[in-house]
Amino acid sequence: DAKTTQPNSMESNEEEPVHLPCNHSTISGTDYIHWYRQLPSQGPEYVIHGLTSNVNNRMASLAIAEDRKSSTLILHRATLRDAAVYYCILGAGGTSYGKLTFGQGTILTVHP
Amino acid sequence: NAGVTQTPKFRVLKTGQSMTLLCAQDMNHEYMYWYRQDPGMGLRLIHYSVGEGTTAKGEVPDGYNVSRLKKQNFLLGLESAAPSQTSVYFCASRTWRGAAYEQYFGPGTRLTVT
Repeated sequence: DAKTTQPNSMESNEEEPVHLPCNHSTISGTDYIHWYRQLPSQGPEYVIHGLTSNVNNRMASLAIAEDRKSSTLILHRATLRDAAVYYCILGAGGTSYGKLTFGQGTILTVHP
Repeated sequence: NAGVTQTPKFRVLKTGQSMTLLCAQDMNHEYMYWYRQDPGMGLRLIHYSVGEGTTAKGEVPDGYNVSRLKKQNFLLGLESAAPSQTSVYFCASRTWRGAAYEQYFGPGTRLTVT
């Protein structure tokens, strides 16, 4: 399985943008890039996903490098509720049956 | 819709005891998954199912069994609990339609084996 590399932790101030990086140099052409986050004492929740083009939704934006070997999750204005562990995961197509391989993720701390 | 629910929320077992964790989803999803999460770690896949009556092993299946007798339910069993199985267990489900679709997770079951 293709792996991802994320910083262990990052900090931000409330109402400032946050850029969470992810490296995935061994990504294959059919791998989607998924981001999930896990708030304290909760199950993970979906944030966003993309394949080749940048993506926006109500929670965040996903910027994907042209060579697809890295991506960045962008939270436009961090709130205290965004403090969580953020996971960057490659999801293979085909017969993978949607299985996700979680790494250790990035712990995001948001300061008031 | 309740989404994905898990029963029980907490449980303490003694070594050697058995128990079953229940996962239920009301989204008519075909795929269901059981993960475990140890302190400070990411989630690891135990078993998964791609439809009623099917199960398959994930990354860490030893010591666990699963059953999917009904589409909406996915049961995780521990036949003889060990302290190494102390963890938080999460269930998830998703539709079968392609690689892009998201998994929906339950709130977790915190299991302690003494």
